[in-house]
Amino acid sequence: GQQVMQIPQYQHVQEGEDFTTYCNSSTTLSNIQWYKQRPGGHPVFLIQLVKSGEVKKQKRLTFQFGEAKKNSSLHITATQTTDVGTYFCAGLRDYKLSFGAGTTVTVRA
Amino acid sequence: DSGVTQTPKHLITATGQRVTLRCSPRSGDLSVYWYQQSLDQGLQFLIQYYNGEERAKGNILERFSAQQFPDLHSELNLSSLELGDSALYFCASSVTPRGTGGRTEAFFGQGTRLTVV
Repeated sequence: GQQVMQIPQYQHVQEGEDFTTYCNSSTTLSNIQWYKQRPGGHPVFLIQLVKSGEVKKQKRLTFQFGEAKKNSSLHITATQTTDVGTYFCAGLRDYKLSFGAGTTVTVRA
Repeated sequence: DSGVTQTPKHLITATGQRVTLRCSPRSGDLSVYWYQQSLDQGLQFLIQYYNGEERAKGNILERFSAQQFPDLHSELNLSSLELGDSALYFCASSVTPRGTGGRTEAFFGQGTRLTVV
């Protein structure tokens, strides 16, 4: 069945540094979505990528969708304490939205 | 507020018991997803309904079942509960799972925290 793998599972970042989390699907996706879950909260939608090779930016966050529509990445620059949380990618295929295991980000001030 | 309502927020029950979790999707959303999140774990897809019909099934145990009613609310039934079933159960809804151009993002409820003792 469809699997979405996400690495790394944990990311400890010094405030001000950059980091990237990666998402890979075993199958081609209709789209890839990214969500953020703050500690104690529920996942909240960040962005959706649809086209092969698509790149979207939200302030310090840059999202990419691979050419084969099987992988994606989220790059955060100049990490801030407000970036703390778990970032999930989710791949949509055949009506099913499958989430990766998430990257839990902690920030050292 | 995502517009998705889950009840109850917390549930404590004993092993062997049966519980029902309820989800009201956002107005107009036809698709409902159920996910299980254990401590420090990712979101495990359980099942998806679209306009009353089961559309996709994940790693849902046989002891678990779900349905979506004509008014589009959904219920997740968990029976013969075990300690390992303790988790946060999320419901999410979306407009439509079809197509690649439309908005298909999922809106999550606050979750039901189930504790089995």
